[in-house]
Amino acid sequence: QKEVEQNSGPLSVPEGAIASLNCTYSDRGSQSFFWYRQYSGKSPELIMFIYSNGDKEDGRFTAQLNKASQYVSLLIRDSQPSDSATYLCAVNTDKLIFGTGTRLQVFP
Amino acid sequence: NAGVTQTPKFQVLKTGQSMTLQCAQDMNHNSMYWYRQDPGMGLRLIYYSASEGTTDKGEVPNGYNVSRLNKREFSLRLESAAPSQTSVYFCASSTASGLGYEQYFGPGTRLTVT
Repeated sequence: QKEVEQNSGPLSVPEGAIASLNCTYSDRGSQSFFWYRQYSGKSPELIMFIYSNGDKEDGRFTAQLNKASQYVSLLIRDSQPSDSATYLCAVNTDKLIFGTGTRLQVFP
Repeated sequence: NAGVTQTPKFQVLKTGQSMTLQCAQDMNHNSMYWYRQDPGMGLRLIYYSASEGTTDKGEVPNGYNVSRLNKREFSLRLESAAPSQTSVYFCASSTASGLGYEQYFGPGTRLTVT
Protein backbone atom coordinates (compact mmCIF):
# COMPACT_ATOMS: atom_id res chain seq x y z
CA GLN A 1 0.00 0.00 0.00
CA LYS A 2 1.32 3.42 -0.97
CA GLU A 3 1.82 5.77 1.94
CA VAL A 4 -0.11 8.62 0.30
CA GLU A 5 -2.67 7.83 -2.37
CA GLN A 6 -4.43 10.10 -4.81
CA ASN A 7 -6.57 9.39 -7.84
CA SER A 8 -4.49 10.46 -10.83
CA GLY A 9 -7.51 11.83 -12.69
CA PRO A 10 -8.09 13.77 -14.74
CA LEU A 11 -10.93 15.26 -12.76
CA SER A 12 -12.96 17.41 -15.14
CA VAL A 13 -15.33 20.05 -13.75
CA PRO A 14 -17.16 22.93 -15.43
CA GLU A 15 -16.24 26.51 -14.65
CA GLY A 16 -18.01 27.70 -11.51
CA ALA A 17 -18.44 24.23 -10.02
CA ILE A 18 -16.87 22.81 -6.88
CA ALA A 19 -13.85 20.59 -7.44
CA SER A 20 -13.23 17.95 -4.78
CA LEU A 21 -9.80 16.37 -4.53
CA ASN A 22 -9.12 13.50 -2.16
CA CYS A 23 -6.09 11.95 -0.54
CA THR A 24 -5.71 8.99 1.80
CA TYR A 25 -2.67 8.13 3.91
CA SER A 26 -1.51 5.04 5.71
CA ASP A 27 0.39 6.30 8.78
CA ARG A 28 -1.98 7.05 11.67
CA GLY A 29 0.77 9.02 13.37
CA SER A 30 0.81 11.68 10.64
CA GLN A 31 0.61 15.15 12.11
CA SER A 32 0.45 17.66 9.31
CA PHE A 33 -0.97 17.74 5.84
CA PHE A 34 -0.29 19.93 2.84
CA TRP A 35 -1.77 20.66 -0.56
CA TYR A 36 0.44 21.83 -3.40
CA ARG A 37 -0.59 23.01 -6.85
CA GLN A 38 1.70 22.28 -9.79
CA TYR A 39 1.13 23.77 -13.21
CA SER A 40 2.55 21.86 -16.15
CA GLY A 41 6.29 22.45 -16.39
CA LYS A 42 6.41 24.43 -13.15
CA SER A 43 7.37 23.72 -9.55
CA PRO A 44 4.96 22.78 -6.75
CA GLU A 45 3.39 25.74 -4.97
CA LEU A 46 2.04 25.42 -1.42
CA ILE A 47 -1.62 26.42 -1.25
CA MET A 48 -2.93 25.00 2.02
CA PHE A 49 -1.82 23.18 5.14
CA ILE A 50 -3.91 21.69 7.94
CA TYR A 51 -2.99 20.16 11.27
CA SER A 52 -6.30 19.62 13.10
CA ASN A 53 -9.41 17.63 12.31
CA GLY A 54 -12.10 19.60 10.58
CA ASP A 55 -12.14 22.27 7.92
CA LYS A 56 -9.76 25.10 7.13
CA GLU A 57 -10.82 27.75 4.65
CA ASP A 58 -8.66 30.15 2.66
CA GLY A 59 -10.49 32.08 -0.02
CA ARG A 60 -11.94 29.63 -2.54
CA PHE A 61 -9.99 26.74 -1.02
CA THR A 62 -11.09 24.52 1.87
CA ALA A 63 -8.96 21.74 3.28
CA GLN A 64 -10.73 19.01 5.22
CA LEU A 65 -9.01 16.55 7.54
CA ASN A 66 -10.41 13.38 9.07
CA LYS A 67 -7.68 11.61 11.02
CA ALA A 68 -9.95 8.75 12.10
CA SER A 69 -10.61 7.85 8.48
CA GLN A 70 -7.12 8.87 7.37
CA TYR A 71 -8.11 11.15 4.57
CA VAL A 72 -7.60 14.75 3.67
CA SER A 73 -9.43 16.58 0.94
CA LEU A 74 -9.26 19.88 -0.90
CA LEU A 75 -12.36 21.67 -2.13
CA ILE A 76 -12.07 24.41 -4.71
CA ARG A 77 -15.21 26.55 -4.96
CA ASP A 78 -16.15 28.52 -8.07
CA SER A 79 -13.53 26.63 -10.10
CA GLN A 80 -11.79 28.64 -12.82
CA PRO A 81 -9.89 27.47 -15.91
CA SER A 82 -6.78 28.90 -14.20
CA ASP A 83 -7.21 26.23 -11.49
CA SER A 84 -6.38 23.56 -14.07
CA ALA A 85 -3.24 21.94 -12.68
CA THR A 86 -2.01 18.88 -10.82
CA TYR A 87 -2.70 18.95 -7.07
CA LEU A 88 -0.25 17.14 -4.82
CA CYS A 89 -1.13 15.96 -1.35
CA ALA A 90 1.75 15.73 1.14
CA VAL A 91 1.65 14.11 4.54
CA ASN A 92 4.11 14.45 7.40
CA THR A 93 5.05 11.20 9.08
CA ASP A 94 8.68 11.34 10.12
CA LYS A 95 9.25 12.90 6.73
CA LEU A 96 7.12 14.61 4.11
CA ILE A 97 5.61 12.06 1.73
CA PHE A 98 4.03 13.27 -1.49
CA GLY A 99 1.24 11.64 -3.42
CA THR A 100 1.55 11.39 -7.18
CA GLY A 101 -1.09 14.06 -7.67
CA THR A 102 -4.54 14.50 -9.20
CA ARG A 103 -4.85 16.36 -12.48
CA LEU A 104 -7.72 18.84 -12.45
CA GLN A 105 -9.24 20.21 -15.65
CA VAL A 106 -11.71 23.08 -15.43
CA PHE A 107 -13.52 23.67 -18.71
CA PRO A 108 -15.34 26.88 -19.68
CA ASN B 1 12.89 38.14 -2.19
CA ALA B 2 13.81 35.67 -4.90
CA GLY B 3 12.76 32.71 -2.70
CA VAL B 4 14.47 29.52 -3.85
CA THR B 5 16.63 29.74 -6.96
CA GLN B 6 18.21 26.92 -8.94
CA THR B 7 20.80 26.79 -11.69
CA PRO B 8 20.91 25.66 -14.39
CA LYS B 9 17.33 25.46 -15.67
CA PHE B 10 18.18 22.86 -18.32
CA GLN B 11 21.13 20.52 -18.81
CA VAL B 12 22.02 17.71 -21.19
CA LEU B 13 24.79 15.35 -20.13
CA LYS B 14 26.40 12.33 -21.68
CA THR B 15 26.60 9.12 -19.66
CA GLY B 16 29.55 9.29 -17.28
CA GLN B 17 29.81 13.06 -17.16
CA SER B 18 29.57 14.90 -13.87
CA MET B 19 27.79 18.08 -12.88
CA THR B 20 26.63 20.08 -9.89
CA LEU B 21 23.16 21.54 -9.48
CA GLN B 22 23.11 24.72 -7.46
CA CYS B 23 20.37 25.88 -5.09
CA ALA B 24 20.12 29.00 -2.96
CA GLN B 25 17.40 30.46 -0.73
CA ASP B 26 17.07 33.93 0.70
CA MET B 27 14.31 33.20 3.24
CA ASN B 28 16.68 32.40 6.14
CA HIS B 29 15.32 28.85 6.23
CA ASN B 30 17.09 26.20 8.26
CA SER B 31 16.27 23.14 6.18
CA MET B 32 16.89 22.42 2.52
CA TYR B 33 15.98 19.46 0.33
CA TRP B 34 16.65 17.92 -3.05
CA TYR B 35 13.90 16.01 -4.86
CA ARG B 36 13.54 14.37 -8.22
CA GLN B 37 10.23 14.14 -10.03
CA ASP B 38 9.54 11.47 -12.60
CA PRO B 39 6.25 10.76 -14.43
CA GLY B 40 4.01 8.52 -12.33
CA MET B 41 6.48 8.47 -9.44
CA GLY B 42 5.75 11.72 -7.71
CA LEU B 43 8.36 13.66 -5.78
CA ARG B 44 11.10 11.55 -4.25
CA LEU B 45 13.54 12.88 -1.68
CA ILE B 46 17.19 12.46 -2.62
CA TYR B 47 18.99 14.23 0.25
CA TYR B 48 18.14 16.82 2.82
CA SER B 49 19.90 19.14 5.23
CA ALA B 50 18.02 19.80 8.46
CA SER B 51 20.41 22.60 9.39
CA GLU B 52 23.68 24.12 8.32
CA GLY B 53 26.45 21.56 8.64
CA THR B 54 24.26 18.47 8.46
CA THR B 55 23.11 16.31 5.56
CA ASP B 56 21.14 13.07 5.45
CA LYS B 57 20.02 10.57 2.84
CA GLY B 58 16.49 10.48 1.60
CA GLU B 59 14.62 7.84 -0.34
CA VAL B 60 16.82 7.70 -3.47
CA PRO B 61 20.38 8.86 -2.64
CA ASN B 62 22.40 6.46 -4.80
CA GLY B 63 24.47 8.21 -7.46
CA TYR B 64 24.26 11.63 -5.78
CA ASN B 65 26.22 13.67 -3.27
CA VAL B 66 25.33 16.93 -1.59
CA SER B 67 27.03 19.85 0.12
CA ARG B 68 25.43 22.35 2.47
CA LEU B 69 27.84 25.17 1.73
CA ASN B 70 26.26 27.62 4.19
CA LYS B 71 22.78 28.41 5.44
CA ARG B 72 21.72 29.74 2.01
CA GLU B 73 23.20 27.19 -0.39
CA PHE B 74 22.72 23.46 -0.93
CA SER B 75 24.24 21.77 -3.97
CA LEU B 76 23.60 18.38 -5.55
CA ARG B 77 26.36 16.59 -7.44
CA LEU B 78 26.12 13.78 -9.96
CA GLU B 79 29.57 12.20 -10.12
CA SER B 80 28.94 9.89 -13.10
CA ALA B 81 25.61 10.56 -14.74
CA ALA B 82 23.44 7.67 -15.92
CA PRO B 83 20.34 7.70 -18.17
CA SER B 84 18.27 6.67 -15.11
CA GLN B 85 19.06 10.10 -13.64
CA THR B 86 17.13 11.84 -16.38
CA SER B 87 14.53 13.73 -14.39
CA VAL B 88 13.37 17.09 -13.12
CA TYR B 89 15.22 18.11 -9.98
CA PHE B 90 13.68 20.42 -7.41
CA CYS B 91 15.32 22.11 -4.49
CA ALA B 92 13.13 23.14 -1.56
CA SER B 93 13.54 24.84 1.79
CA SER B 94 11.54 25.12 5.00
CA THR B 95 11.73 27.32 8.02
CA ALA B 96 11.69 24.54 10.59
CA SER B 97 14.44 22.00 10.98
CA GLY B 98 13.47 18.52 9.91
CA LEU B 99 11.34 16.87 7.34
CA GLY B 100 7.74 17.46 8.24
CA TYR B 101 7.17 21.12 7.62
CA GLU B 102 5.80 23.11 4.73
CA GLN B 103 8.39 23.37 2.03
CA TYR B 104 8.89 25.96 -0.66
CA PHE B 105 10.22 24.89 -4.02
CA GLY B 106 12.60 26.33 -6.57
CA PRO B 107 11.79 26.41 -10.30
CA GLY B 108 13.53 23.11 -11.07
CA THR B 109 16.32 21.80 -13.28
CA ARG B 110 15.43 19.58 -16.23
CA LEU B 111 18.25 17.12 -16.72
CA THR B 112 18.61 14.74 -19.64
CA VAL B 113 21.34 12.11 -19.65
CA THR B 114 22.00 10.51 -23.03
